[in-house]
Amino acid sequence: KNQVEQSPQSLIILEGKNCTLQCNYTVSPFSNLRWYKQDTGRGPVSLTIMTFSENTKSNGRYTATLDADTKQSSLHITASQLSDSASYICVVSAHYDYKLSFGAGTTVTVRA
Amino acid sequence: SAVISQKPSRDICQRGTSLTIQCQVDSQVTMMFWYRQQPGQSLTLIATANQGSEATYESGFVIDKFPISRPNLTFSTLTVSNMSPEDSSIYLCSVDREPDTQYFGPGTRLTVL
Repeated sequence: KNQVEQSPQSLIILEGKNCTLQCNYTVSPFSNLRWYKQDTGRGPVSLTIMTFSENTKSNGRYTATLDADTKQSSLHITASQLSDSASYICVVSAHYDYKLSFGAGTTVTVRA
Repeated sequence: SAVISQKPSRDICQRGTSLTIQCQVDSQVTMMFWYRQQPGQSLTLIATANQGSEATYESGFVIDKFPISRPNLTFSTLTVSNMSPEDSSIYLCSVDREPDTQYFGPGTRLTVL
């Protein structure tokens, strides 16, 4: 069964600090992994997408890593801002399957 | 990427009534998807809507409760029928613009009293 697990469930950080979110998956055959940011009451917005051959991808202050061998990914937020407060969802696609596997998300709260 | 709009963005409804949510895409797409996100939960796929065919529903979702229309390649509707408070969720549509990639609409926040 395809599964995606994220940790921590939630975290609180001070503005300007860095944080790292984790994602472990068992999706097979692996196609790609996306990190989405979802603001409260809004739809998810894609931050990064990585395929099997990519091990790092950046989007501004967001940097995602992928280890396809250990089936782990991380999302690093640098110099956090209040606007980074959101839920971050790890989503994994399998080849030949339109259905996505969603993590439960990590809720990040940035405080001044 | 894809530009996706949904209407309404939010609504508060009475128990027993129905609400139809619209999803509009800025270009033609083959597959459109409808998701539900209950409070504090991640997204759950309700059904897949292809133009010209009946929607395909996931386990736990039935057409009588969530009828879907897909009249053309840029538009779809999801109706939440005979609503109860348990239907209070965010409903999202998404499209499959590229292989193995989905783009999501802004969501419709539904509250059932």
